[in-house]
Amino acid sequence: DQQVKQNSPSLSVQEGRISILNCDYTNSMFDYFLWYKKYPAEGPTFLISISSIKDKNEDGRFTVFLNKSAKHLSLHIVPSQPGDSAVYFCAASAPWGGSQGNLIFGKGTKLSVKP
Amino acid sequence: ETGVTQSPTHLIKTRGQQVTLRCSSQSGHNTVSWYQQALGQGPQFIFQYYREEENGRGNFPPRFSGLQFPNYSSELNVNALELDDSALYLCASSLGHNQQYFGPGTRLTVL
Repeated sequence: DQQVKQNSPSLSVQEGRISILNCDYTNSMFDYFLWYKKYPAEGPTFLISISSIKDKNEDGRFTVFLNKSAKHLSLHIVPSQPGDSAVYFCAASAPWGGSQGNLIFGKGTKLSVKP
Repeated sequence: ETGVTQSPTHLIKTRGQQVTLRCSSQSGHNTVSWYQQALGQGPQFIFQYYREEENGRGNFPPRFSGLQFPNYSSELNVNALELDDSALYLCASSLGHNQQYFGPGTRLTVL
């Protein structure tokens, strides 16, 4: 049973346009959400996060929106650049199981930004 | 400041064998978490070590075990390897429950 879902395996966007990556979750106990970017042959790199008590967090070109009633979050990248091409993982922090901070990841969305 | 490093980069083993993967945490970090990423999946939490003690475990059998050393580096041991253990194994270090920084991973192939 997947608790964090990224239903789009891939997304293709033109350079300069907006990229919107979506993520749904099932457990209302998650208290923190994160987005990671992963290039081939590298580990995931932290991008941006949001606490469950907020609905928006912005960092430069990256904005994450959280809709708790819909159990949905999205990552907006504006404007998209070719260097943004990577696999993006949505993750939720689970405050149970004896460990705060273990992360539950979605399957990822491969973003391709075309020049 | 050195980032998270993992060794080896790649490893090939056969079913039934045992394997040890190593992780050096980032300077100043006292917590290490291990994840398994199967092909086409997101990373799955295996367990976390904080100050040399296991501090949480995901849904993995006991043949997955770990250690954390006084310098906060860590090992992941897998006994009785199965074909399904083939995956990328990621280590992440952090200072307590703060932001996790991932290493590049070890690619394990079980034949």
